[in-house]
Amino acid sequence: AQKITQTQPGMFVQEKEAVTLDCTYDTSDQSYGLFWYKQPSSGEMIFLIYQGSYDEQNATEGRYSLNFQKARKSANLVISASQLGDSAMYFCAMRRPISSGSARQLTFGSGTQLTVLP
Amino acid sequence: DAGVIQSPRHEVTEMGQEVTLRCKPISGHDYLFWYRQTMMRGLELLIYFNNNVPIDDSGMPEDRFSAKMPNASFSTLKIQPSEPRDSAVYFCASGPGTSRHNEQFFGPGTRLTVL
Repeated sequence: AQKITQTQPGMFVQEKEAVTLDCTYDTSDQSYGLFWYKQPSSGEMIFLIYQGSYDEQNATEGRYSLNFQKARKSANLVISASQLGDSAMYFCAMRRPISSGSARQLTFGSGTQLTVLP
Repeated sequence: DAGVIQSPRHEVTEMGQEVTLRCKPISGHDYLFWYRQTMMRGLELLIYFNNNVPIDDSGMPEDRFSAKMPNASFSTLKIQPSEPRDSAVYFCASGPGTSRHNEQFFGPGTRLTVL
């Protein structure tokens, strides 16, 4: 079974600074995918970034980057130059191998509430 | 392009009543998912469809819950009879059939309160 652990229930960061949100995972699969979603107070879930287990480079999407350390089974989200609009709940999620029958199912962590301070 | 559309956005009902939540996925997406989010249990996958066919409903909590997808552009999640413990935010998500990442795109959610 897959498990996602987000150990930081809440984080604070000063505007314009960088912040790292932690995510560790547990899986017996060799191939898997990792996602980060953002959930602002309005409630919708917004896809941010994806990292495949065999991707050689860490994923980046604008101000978002993923610090992927496969041996440590961690996939931390780094947000650079934080903005007030980044205040939200952030979820790490994992999917199983594409070849598996359950590749479409995502397992989510418990989330980290990020507050950006002016 | 329109994203995933869910209705209603908010629903308040009394215990024992039937509740129907609706979802319109993104056009062209082959996969549709229903999730439930609560403080205690986080985000849970209830059921998902591929090309309108239910693939895995192991997350459906009990027989009071049922989901249908009569066509590619519409799905319903029904709770009958509803109970206070069903109070949660219910998300619908859709995903393309051919995608490197298998990412899912979520709707705005329906906040259900059962009194």
